[in-house]
Amino acid sequence: QPVLTQPPSVSGTPGQSVSISCSGTDSNIGVSAVSWYQQLPGSAPKPLIFDNSQRPSGVPERFSGSRSGTSASLAITGLQSDDEAIYYCASWDDSLGGQGVFGGGTKVTVL
Amino acid sequence: DVHLVESGGGLVKSGGSLRLSCVGSGFSFGSFSITWVRQAPGKGLQFVSSINSGGQHHLFEESLRGRITISRDDAKSSVNLEMDKLRPEDTAMYYCVRDDSGYPRMRLDSWGRGTMVTVSS
Repeated sequence: QPVLTQPPSVSGTPGQSVSISCSGTDSNIGVSAVSWYQQLPGSAPKPLIFDNSQRPSGVPERFSGSRSGTSASLAITGLQSDDEAIYYCASWDDSLGGQGVFGGGTKVTVL
Repeated sequence: DVHLVESGGGLVKSGGSLRLSCVGSGFSFGSFSITWVRQAPGKGLQFVSSINSGGQHHLFEESLRGRITISRDDAKSSVNLEMDKLRPEDTAMYYCVRDDSGYPRMRLDSWGRGTMVTVSS
């Protein structure tokens, strides 16, 4: 079972905005930064957000992240057809000696 | 450009062992942590192990601790992941990933293409 909790799926029409939640605990999101990754079919994941809200170079401004307490969220505005992918949140967990943790992934469908 | 190339995957029988390697190029390899992430067919991402820059800290997914070893050779810009007592549930694509920090913190900025490990029962 993934340590971080994400909804299995969200959907929207082109141009709409969608949001993906990521819920954790005091030992991970509550004390460590959250990152987000996009995975297209057959490809390795691609980083979208670091340190809760920072976009790596080349990531469109349509993607934004935030964190509050033990939860985080990824927002996609101006949804496009090539945003259809699986999105994962990740963080570091200080319990059990320290390890990385991921959410179970959210499939974004563009209707 | 940053490149990470994994090797060593393949078909192995349950109970067997495997050594995965990752070679990096295009960056100062010794300055970064390296993390292994795996993905079972049709499933999500799972943290496997990380090693910090300098190699003093080895971190493991709790359920895998005791079956895996991670090491690095900065002179060869490489990280090895050795896995013992393999089980069918270890079947997955294994990705080598650069963590944009000297100590792992899941800031996974560059991913290899992965190497597939298949464990038969």
